[in-house]
Amino acid sequence: SQQGEEDPQALSIQEGENATMNCSYKTSINNLQWYRQNSGRGLVHLILIRSNEREKHSGRLRVTLDTSKKSSSLLITASRAADTASYFCATFTGFNTDKLIFGTGTRLQVFP
Amino acid sequence: DTGVSQDPRHKITKRGQNVTFRCDPISEHNRLYWYRQTLGQGPEFLTYFQNEAQLEKSRLLSDRFSAERPKGSFSTLEIQRTEQGDSAMYLCASSLNQGGTTYEQYFGPGTRLTVT
Repeated sequence: SQQGEEDPQALSIQEGENATMNCSYKTSINNLQWYRQNSGRGLVHLILIRSNEREKHSGRLRVTLDTSKKSSSLLITASRAADTASYFCATFTGFNTDKLIFGTGTRLQVFP
Repeated sequence: DTGVSQDPRHKITKRGQNVTFRCDPISEHNRLYWYRQTLGQGPEFLTYFQNEAQLEKSRLLSDRFSAERPKGSFSTLEIQRTEQGDSAMYLCASSLNQGGTTYEQYFGPGTRLTVT
């Protein structure tokens, strides 16, 4: 079963605008990761945030994590048409398992 | 930079037939994972290996599914007596586990299975 629920399910914006997606999960985690998926390149790892971190940046990406609320958000600033893709959060518990548990995804469409 | 490769990329089969998929991980990675993804959903974990040992299997992996990694390098996933519900994208990933720490998983392009 899916660990995470992502919100919104779909998002449409213009180039240059910011895009924010949210992820909620159910159990304690070791870290949370965000992936992007488009038809051309498959699943690509974007960023990892550990359970003892609250915020992390990578280029135009900003991720926050609130373990008390079991939620995370991904902000993409100054979006580009090339950012059009599905975005998934994935949790890693690390408790006797190595599997990632993915959310349901947010489909982002960026219009030129 | 050689990433994770999967073969075939697409497979169409009739219900009841057996199919086998292959995954070649990044060469220095000792862990290999299989996931399944249906339309509009996130990937779901199936199984993973540390070298040739299969460490965990999901309840999604019914008796018709079997995965192997015989020499700790490439892996195969076989589905016997395919059903229409098996239609999905099958994703393979690999990672390096060192000193008890697992680093990020790198995914292949997937094999899309259609059962008619």
